[in-house]
Amino acid sequence: AQRVTQPEKLLSVFKGAPVELKCNYSYSGSPELFWYVQYSRQRLQLLLRHISRESIKGFTADLNKGETSFHLKKPFAQEEDSAMYYCALSTDSWGKLQFGAGTQVVVTP
Amino acid sequence: NAGVTQTPKFQVLKTGQSMTLQCAQDMNHNSMYWYRQDPGMGLRLIYYSASEGTTDKGEVPNGYNVSRLNKREFSLRLESAAPSQTSVYFCASSDSLLRQGRDEQYFGPGTRLTVT
Repeated sequence: AQRVTQPEKLLSVFKGAPVELKCNYSYSGSPELFWYVQYSRQRLQLLLRHISRESIKGFTADLNKGETSFHLKKPFAQEEDSAMYYCALSTDSWGKLQFGAGTQVVVTP
Repeated sequence: NAGVTQTPKFQVLKTGQSMTLQCAQDMNHNSMYWYRQDPGMGLRLIYYSASEGTTDKGEVPNGYNVSRLNKREFSLRLESAAPSQTSVYFCASSDSLLRQGRDEQYFGPGTRLTVT
C-alpha cells in the first residue's frame, strides 16, 4: 500500500534562513507527487507538482526516485511562508490523493 | 467563479443524529472528492466520484454515504453521527479523469463538524 511520510510535525525557522520540509513516499510504480499548502484561514491549495519542475514562491521540490523522496526547499524563508504544508501522492488515473500528516512551518522575524 | 463551495461551515450534532454536507463546484470538473482532516493524520479520503454517476470508497468510508447528484454537486451523509466523526471535512474537485490523475485538486473552505 502506498504511504506518504512527513517526519516533522513542526518546523520553526528564522526569516531569511533556509527551510526544508521532508517527504518520503512508498510506492513501487511511477508516482505523481504534489505539495499543497494551507495558509491561516485559507483553503488548501496546490503549491507545486513534481511533473511541472517549476519554482513557486521560491519553493522547489525534486523527485528522487532512488530515495523515494520529494523534499520541499526554499533558500530564504519569509514570514508569509508560515503555513501548514502537505505532501501528497497520486498513483492512479482517478486522481485520488494520499496525503502526509502535514508539517506546520512557523517563520519568525 | 466561486470554485468549490461547501455548506454548512460549522455544525454541532449529538451522537446518533444524521446530517448531509453539501458541496458544489462551478468549474465543470468531472471528479469530486470528500476528505476528512484530523490533527496528526493529514487529510484522508472518504469517498470520491470520478465522474457523474459513479462513486467509490476511499480510505475511511465507514459511517458515511455519498451522492453525486449531478456534475456540479457531491454530498456526504452521516446517517448516525459518532464522536469519532468529529473532524473538518473538505470537498475537492479536479479534472483528474481527463488528465489521467495529473490535475490539481481545488478545495472548498471546509466544514467543521463536532459530534457530542
